[in-house]
Amino acid sequence: DQQVKQNSPSLSVQEGRISILNCDYTNSMFDYFLWYKKYPAEGPTFLISISSIKDKNEDGRFTVFLNKSAKHLSLHIVPSQPGDSAVYFCAASGWGSGTYKYIFGTGTRLKVLA
Amino acid sequence: EAQVTQNPRYLITVTGKKLTVTCSQNMNHEYMSWYRQDPGLGLRQIYYSMNVEVTDKGDVPEGYKVSRKEKRNFPLILESPSPNQTSLYFCASSFRGQDNEQFFGPGTRLTVL
Repeated sequence: DQQVKQNSPSLSVQEGRISILNCDYTNSMFDYFLWYKKYPAEGPTFLISISSIKDKNEDGRFTVFLNKSAKHLSLHIVPSQPGDSAVYFCAASGWGSGTYKYIFGTGTRLKVLA
Repeated sequence: EAQVTQNPRYLITVTGKKLTVTCSQNMNHEYMSWYRQDPGLGLRQIYYSMNVEVTDKGDVPEGYKVSRKEKRNFPLILESPSPNQTSLYFCASSFRGQDNEQFFGPGTRLTVL
């Protein structure tokens, strides 16, 4: 039962264009959402987050949008740069049934073409 | 430098031989966790710890043990490793569990023959 889904395993985008990475979740207990970036042979690093009380959070070239009714979030990267080529994981966290959950999606490999 | 360290980085072992992967953080974080990364499955949480002496199971705890005797350390123990535990393992920490970004270690690639 995959509670956090990233349905696109890979994405290719031209340098300078917008990259849009999508993530869907199934459990309403999640109230905080994060995006991480991972380069080969390194651990994931935090990119941007959003609380369930917001629908948008922006940090430089990165913007995360949250649609709670659709249980969907997306990460926009504008403009995309070759250095953005990496695997991106979305994560969802929250308390439910007395336990704390921090669930990652399966990742989307982004390739930005120069 | 603020960091999460893991040792060893690479390990090849045989079925049934007990092993420990160490994890240490120098940021005085309360929350620590272990994940495994497998192709097509993303990062799956094995165990987490909200604070010293407080641990709980994640989504895939079978075959693993953890302990949290000190705030900075959170070792992962495989009492009797099996080939299906061949994976890339990450330790992570955060100031608190919820609503916080996690800082990840560099990973430990484990192969169980």
